[in-house]
Order: sequence, then structure tokens, then C-alpha cells
Amino acid sequence: AQSVAQPEDQVNVAEGNPLTVKCTYSVSGNPYLFWYVQYPNRGLQFLLKYITGDNLVKGSYGFEAEFNKSQTSFHLKKPSALVSDSALYFCAVRDLRHNDYKLSFGAGTTVTVRA
Amino acid sequence: DTGVSQNPRHKITKRGQNVTFRCDPISEHNRLYWYRQTLGQGPEFLTYFQNEAQLEKSRLLSDRFSAERPKGSFSTLEIQRTEQGDSAMYLCASSFGSSPGTEAFFGQGTRLTVV
Repeated sequence: AQSVAQPEDQVNVAEGNPLTVKCTYSVSGNPYLFWYVQYPNRGLQFLLKYITGDNLVKGSYGFEAEFNKSQTSFHLKKPSALVSDSALYFCAVRDLRHNDYKLSFGAGTTVTVRA
Repeated sequence: DTGVSQNPRHKITKRGQNVTFRCDPISEHNRLYWYRQTLGQGPEFLTYFQNEAQLEKSRLLSDRFSAERPKGSFSTLEIQRTEQGDSAMYLCASSFGSSPGTEAFFGQGTRLTVV
């Protein structure tokens, strides 16, 4: 079974500081990994994904994420956080081995960026 | 708006009543997914369709839940004999293509409150 863990319920950073949101995954085969962001009263918005190739992937709004197979991690990063980045972030995985289309999500991490 | 559309946005119903939600995916997206999200949790997979075929259902989906996608376009999710535990946000998503690597696009959800 595939699963995702987001070990931090909340992350608080000052505006302009680096932001990291942690994610670890468990799959039986190779993973497809995704990050989504959810703003209040809005649907989930796709940020970026890792399919194959370069371990560092870049996405929307200046976010990037690094795939680390040995640590089974896919941490989301932003070099300089903005107040507008305050939102709920979800990591999700699909298991390539089973050609599985459903996404398994983590419980989410609430990011608060203070001015 | 060419995104995923869900109706209604909010639904309050009495316990024991039946409810039906509608999802209109992005045009030409062949895959459609239903998820449920409760407060403090990530989205939980319910079921998904490839065109009109329902390919997978979560074991968590009781027999009170049924979903259809009759012509491979819009989908409906019906909950019969609602219970208070059904109160949640119901999310619909769609994606295009045959690769599990394609990202899913989410609607804003239907918030169900069972009183």
C-alpha cells in the first residue's frame, strides 16, 4: 500500500526566510510524487511533480522540491517565503508499480509566513 | 471558467436523507476522481473513472455511496441514508491522458453537513 507522511502539522517562518515543508513516502514500486496547495475556501492547486529524471523539480510560485530515493523523501522548498504563501500544503504519491491512478495524500502541513 | 466545477458548493441535510453531488470535469479529461476530506486530514480517495468505466472503489466506500459517469463527461456521487459521519468536503478531480504521471486538477468541493 502506498502512503505519505508529513511529519509537521505546522511550519512558521518569517517573510524572506527559506521555507521547507517535509514529506516522506512509502510505495512498493517507483513513485510519482506531487505537491498541492490549498487556500481557504479554495480547491487544491497543483504546484509541482516528480516523475523521473532530475531529482530537483521546479514548480509554480517559485517552489521547488527535491526527490531523494534513499531517504524516500520529497521535501518542498522555497528560498524566500512570502506572506501570501501561507496556506495548507499536501504531499501526494502514486505507485508506478501498480500503474495506480489514485493519489494518496498526507495529512497536510499548515504554513504560516509572518510579515 | 474551464476548471473542474462542482455543485452544489454547500449542502445541509437531515440524517437519513439522500444527497447527490455533481462534478463537471475539465473538457476532454478522461479520468475523474472523487475524494473526501475531513477537517485536519488530507483528501481520502473514494473512487475513480476512466471515461464512463468505474475502475476502482475504495474499501472505505460503503454501499450507501454510489457514483456514476454515464457518458464519460460529468459525474454524480450519491449518498443514501446519510449519517453524521458523512459530514465532510467532497472533492472531485480530473486528469487527461493515459500516464499516471499526469497531475489531477481539483474542483472547489461540495461541503456536506448532516444534522
